[in-house]
Amino acid sequence: GENVEQHPSTLSVQEGDSAVIKCTYSDSASNYFPWYKQELGKRPQLIIDIRSNVGEKKDQRIAVTLNKTAKHFSLHITETQPEDSAVYFCAASRGMDSNYQLIWGAGTKLIIKP
Amino acid sequence: DAGITQSPRHKVTETGTPVTLRCHQTENHRYMYWYRQDPGHGLRLIHYSYGVKDTDKGEVSDGYSVSRSKTEDFLLTLESATSSQTSVYFCATEGRGTYEQYFGPGTRLTVT
Repeated sequence: GENVEQHPSTLSVQEGDSAVIKCTYSDSASNYFPWYKQELGKRPQLIIDIRSNVGEKKDQRIAVTLNKTAKHFSLHITETQPEDSAVYFCAASRGMDSNYQLIWGAGTKLIIKP
Repeated sequence: DAGITQSPRHKVTETGTPVTLRCHQTENHRYMYWYRQDPGHGLRLIHYSYGVKDTDKGEVSDGYSVSRSKTEDFLLTLESATSSQTSVYFCATEGRGTYEQYFGPGTRLTVT
């Protein structure tokens, strides 16, 4: 069935450096790709998303890029700060008539070293 | 946080007992989802609802049932809890036709 693979599972970066998390998806009908951030003990919250009609989207220090041909998308965080430490999940929409289901990656634990 | 609450927030129960988790939303969202979250597995869909009394199975539905008698409430029932159902359970909603899902605060369930 459809799946989303997310890499790496853990990423440790020095404060101030950039972090990149990558996801690949299999459902060719996917057209919505969100990224959620989950802090320890909290609920996942949407931080950025992209739809298939654009290749890149930015919001301050975070950006998402999408390559539909290769079926992969990435989250980029620049100038990392301690508050960026969290688990990040990518997801891809299932095709039409799916009742707005998302297919989730397994998550990346981002550690920001001081 | 889209007005989504879950109850209870924590529960410890014994193997073989029935358990019901409640998700309540005040946003009048049509779609509601139950996920379980376990280390290394991300979020796995248990069941979802696309309207009152309209529900369907997700990828890990065995051992779980759901009900939705009102737009605002979506109940998840473990008919006979097992230790493998120890997990954190999240409810989510989607109501604008955008695929963006809003999550409740989660319920940590421990089955001993």
